[in-house]
Amino acid sequence: GAVVSQHPSWVICKSGTSVKIECRSLDFQATTMFWYRQFPKQSLMLMATSNEGSKATYEQGVEKDKFLINHASLTLSTLTVTSAHPEDSSFYICSARDWGAGTGTYGYTFGSGTRLTVV
Amino acid sequence: DAKTTQPPSMDCAEGRAANLPCNHSTISGNEYVYWYRQIHSQGPQYIIHGLKNNETNEMASLIITEDRKSSTLILPHATLRDTAVYYCIVRVAGTGTASKLTFGTGTRLQVTL
Repeated sequence: GAVVSQHPSWVICKSGTSVKIECRSLDFQATTMFWYRQFPKQSLMLMATSNEGSKATYEQGVEKDKFLINHASLTLSTLTVTSAHPEDSSFYICSARDWGAGTGTYGYTFGSGTRLTVV
Repeated sequence: DAKTTQPPSMDCAEGRAANLPCNHSTISGNEYVYWYRQIHSQGPQYIIHGLKNNETNEMASLIITEDRKSSTLILPHATLRDTAVYYCIVRVAGTGTASKLTFGTGTRLQVTL
């Protein structure tokens, strides 16, 4: 089945620095990927939709200049948290969408998540 | 996308069937129902999805009512490893930015001995 690899699985960074998270589709091409954020005991909140070769589409209230998304190839999307602050500490999860020929609709595969702690 | 309503928590004895309900009374004809689960500190795992017909795979069965306003996910023989938060998601068919998964609060299923 479809596999999505997300790295790193956890990262600790100092306040004011930037952190890059990678999301790779290992056995399929994904023109569209998604980035979510999850705070403790809460559900996943969609941050943005990442489209290969074009600008990402951000959800309302998400700062595009703070959360930079690059989708330069059909198998890789990156999320860079710029000038990170303690309130950015969260669990970040990516998802890649692919067409299920056998199902006739899209499938969505999630990465294992990245726990970011800003100190 | 249509909003979904799920009970916040449920308990199930190991070996028994777990029946997780989901209400999506405002679903449109072109919207799919997806089920995912999330075990603590992991990414969501796909379980099953359907449009109109009932579906079954190696993990679970999905029963969609005839009017499509609600559905039930059935785990036929729950084990302790099925303890997780289960999300019922309704997604509009099509391409582009509309074709995304929006998560609700889900149901926390606790499987006990």
